[in-house]
Amino acid sequence: QVQLQESGPGLVKPSETLSLTCAVSDYSISNGYYWGWIRQPPGKGLEWIGTFYHSGSTYYNPSLKSRVTILEDTSKNQFSLSLYSLTAADTAVYYCARLRGLDAFDFWGPGTMVTVSS
Amino acid sequence: EIVLTQSPATLSLSPGERATLSCRASQSVSTYLAWYQQKPGQAPRLLIYDASHRATGIPAKFSGSGSGTDFTLTISSLEPEDFAVYYCQQRSSWPRLTFGPGTKVDIK
Repeated sequence: QVQLQESGPGLVKPSETLSLTCAVSDYSISNGYYWGWIRQPPGKGLEWIGTFYHSGSTYYNPSLKSRVTILEDTSKNQFSLSLYSLTAADTAVYYCARLRGLDAFDFWGPGTMVTVSS
Repeated sequence: EIVLTQSPATLSLSPGERATLSCRASQSVSTYLAWYQQKPGQAPRLLIYDASHRATGIPAKFSGSGSGTDFTLTISSLEPEDFAVYYCQQRSSWPRLTFGPGTKVDIK
């Protein structure tokens, strides 16, 4: 059973950079599948941020593309999200997840709440 | 961008009743549609992929149907644990993935 766990700061200041990590256990991210990040502002719906394939392509939501980077670290079996130039609108629960084939996220982390505030 | 619309926004039903949730796409997504269930404070859980295939461990009371632009998630008989928010998600515009706004199923 694949397990994912997000970690990072719960509070970040406006204009700063958010850095989150997703640790994956019981499956090697280099063995296949796409992996990604999704976020959910308080009381709102889900927004896809981006996905990547090991040593392959990385894709980003066009609405965030200029401010986001997803990187993998196979030595630690984890991947990261960096989101730059934060505003209050980036306040959300951030989830990492595995994409089943190309179509749906079948394993999710529990999520981590990030608040952007001075 | 493919936009997904879900209706109704809120569905108020009693335990034992049948729930029918709708997801409509702004253009055809073939059968590249998934459904998720989300309970408060929890991550979404995949229920259905490819419009009608139940994910691993999902009970048969959940069923999905549809193709093109109109899709339905049916819960045959609501149990207390089924009251939650349900989201649809398409991958037809791969690599760009989009979610619907959700339908809340609450207790009448």
